[in-house]
Formats: sequence, C-alpha cells, structure tokens
Amino acid sequence: AQSVTQLDSHVSVSEGTPVLLRCNYSSSYSPSLFWYVQHPNKGLQLLLKYTSAATLVKGINGFEAEFKKSETSFHLTKPSAHMSDAAEYFCVVSGRGNKLVFGAGTILRVKS
Amino acid sequence: ETGVTQTPRHLVMGMTNKKSLKCEQHLGHNAMYWYKQSAKKPLELMFVYNFKEQTENNSVPSRFSPECPNSSHLFLHLHTLQPEDSALYLCASSQDGRTDARGGELFFGEGSRLTVL
Repeated sequence: AQSVTQLDSHVSVSEGTPVLLRCNYSSSYSPSLFWYVQHPNKGLQLLLKYTSAATLVKGINGFEAEFKKSETSFHLTKPSAHMSDAAEYFCVVSGRGNKLVFGAGTILRVKS
Repeated sequence: ETGVTQTPRHLVMGMTNKKSLKCEQHLGHNAMYWYKQSAKKPLELMFVYNFKEQTENNSVPSRFSPECPNSSHLFLHLHTLQPEDSALYLCASSQDGRTDARGGELFFGEGSRLTVL
C-alpha cells in the first residue's frame, strides 16, 4: 500500500527567502510522485511529477523536487519565495493500480 | 474558459433535500473523477469514470449517486445528506484512467462548496 506524509501542516517564509516543503512516502512498488498546488478558492494544479528518468524534477513557477529513494523523500523547494506562492501544497503518490494517495497538505504563508 | 467547470460553486441544503452537482470538462478527456475535500483531512477519492463506465467506487455511501452520461459531463446527485457531508467537492479529469507518471495529470475544477444543515 502507498502512503504519503507531509511533515509540516504550515510553513511560513519571508518573500525572497527559500521554500522547503517536506514529503516522505511509503510504497511497496516503484512510486510515481507528484506535487499539486491549490490557491484559495481554486482547484488543484499540477506543479511537477517524478518519472524514473531524473531524480531532480523541475516544475512550474520555479519549483523543483528531488526524489531520494534512500530517504523515501520527495521534498519541494524554491530558491526565492514570491507572494503569489502562498497556497496549499499537496504531495501525492501513485502506485499499483494507479490510485493516487494525497497527503494532508502544507499551507505556505509568504510574509512581505 | 477553464478546462473543468463545476456548478454550483456554493450549495446549502437541508438533510431532506435532493440536489445535484455538475461538472463539465472541455479538454477532450476520457476519465472523470469526484473527490471530497474536508477540513484537516486528505483529499478522498469518491468515484472514477473511464470512458463513461464507473471504474472506482471508494466505499461511498449510497446517498451520493454519480452519473456520467458522456465523457464530458459528470454529475453527483445528493439526497438525505448528513451534516458531516459538508465539504468541498472537487471534480477532475484526465486523458484516460491512468494517473501515474506514465499517464496524464489530473485537471481539477474549482469545486462546489456544500453545506448541509
């Protein structure tokens, strides 16, 4: 069975400073991993997804994530936060049967 | 025009009412999904339709009844709901029923906020 744990329910950063949103996963199979973002009163949007081709995945809006099998982690990072990055972020794992399992979400607050 | 449109955006209903949520996708996708998003809980998959056929029912109570007349439209019929059913109901679509990295991403609507009194 697959599961995903987002280690922080809330993260607060200042504009222009780095962002780190942490995600650990558990999977019996070779996982597929995703990050989705949800802005207030909006649906979810795909930020990036992991394929087996590269462990460092680049997404939209300057975000990237690194797949670390030894640590079972898929943390999301961005070098410099922007006010528009304030949103809720979901780490997602897909395993056998193509079932997506969503994490509980991390709310990112960006202070000016 | 957004790719996935949900109506109504907000709905308040009593426990004895019957109402429906509607979802329409303009992306030419063949798979559609209903998810439930409750406060402080992970997103829950409810139903999946692939080429109009239901391929997933995640142990959803029968007071929720989905309908998929074609690949572009998805409904969620609601009757005799409970206050704990209050949540944001999200519709999504994908090219086909695959949601792994080799398949397509999910495209979400903005959701229907349901309040059951």
